Amino acid sequence: EVKLVESGGVLVQPGGSLRLSCAASGFIFNNYWMSWVRQVPGKGLEWVAGIKQDGSEKFYVDSVRGRFTISRDNAKNSLYLQMNTLRAEDTAIYHCAKNWALDYWGQGTPVTVSS
Amino acid sequence: EIVMTQNPLSLTVTPGQPASISCNSSQSLLHSNGKTFLCWYLQKPGQPPQLLIYELFNRYSGVPDRFSGSGSETDFTLKISRVEAEDVGLYYCMQNIYFPYTFGRGTKLEIK
Repeated sequence: EVKLVESGGVLVQPGGSLRLSCAASGFIFNNYWMSWVRQVPGKGLEWVAGIKQDGSEKFYVDSVRGRFTISRDNAKNSLYLQMNTLRAEDTAIYHCAKNWALDYWGQGTPVTVSS
Repeated sequence: EIVMTQNPLSLTVTPGQPASISCNSSQSLLHSNGKTFLCWYLQKPGQPPQLLIYELFNRYSGVPDRFSGSGSETDFTLKISRVEAEDVGLYYCMQNIYFPYTFGRGTKLEIK
């Protein structure tokens, strides 16, 4: 059974940093492209970042480029999102998702940026 | 960035009746490999989105055949042949041909 479990979401002050993790199981992790997608409760979906199977290519939405870094550890079947210089508008539930077509999503971890 | 526009934003359907959701993109989603990189998702209340359709018309594993996707390079349609109570939720289209991937605003399906 495919499982993606996110963790690391907390309340953080504007300008602060946070590292999200996504633990993957039930599939061969290093065979798949992975992404982070966020959703403000009651609002729509925004793709945030994606990373190639071997970590050699990474892509970001403009609003986070230079502040967020996506990475992965294939030995640990884990995906990460390092979030720096956080802003109020980064407040959302952050989901990790598998494959080009985002064919499986985790439940998400909530990030709140507020003073 | 490619803009995805969905219509309608909401619809109410009687069980057993068909439903149709439209989505269009600001650029062609047709790749040189002949595939069109358009996906459809359903987000049921309290759950993360689940993939229904990928590459324009391919149903994902386990998706009932009452769901179908069609369209051209920039205009797309998700059809539900006979709506069931379990189909309620938010439907999103998404393009995955260019980064950043972008989503439509979502269509809320309710049952009458």
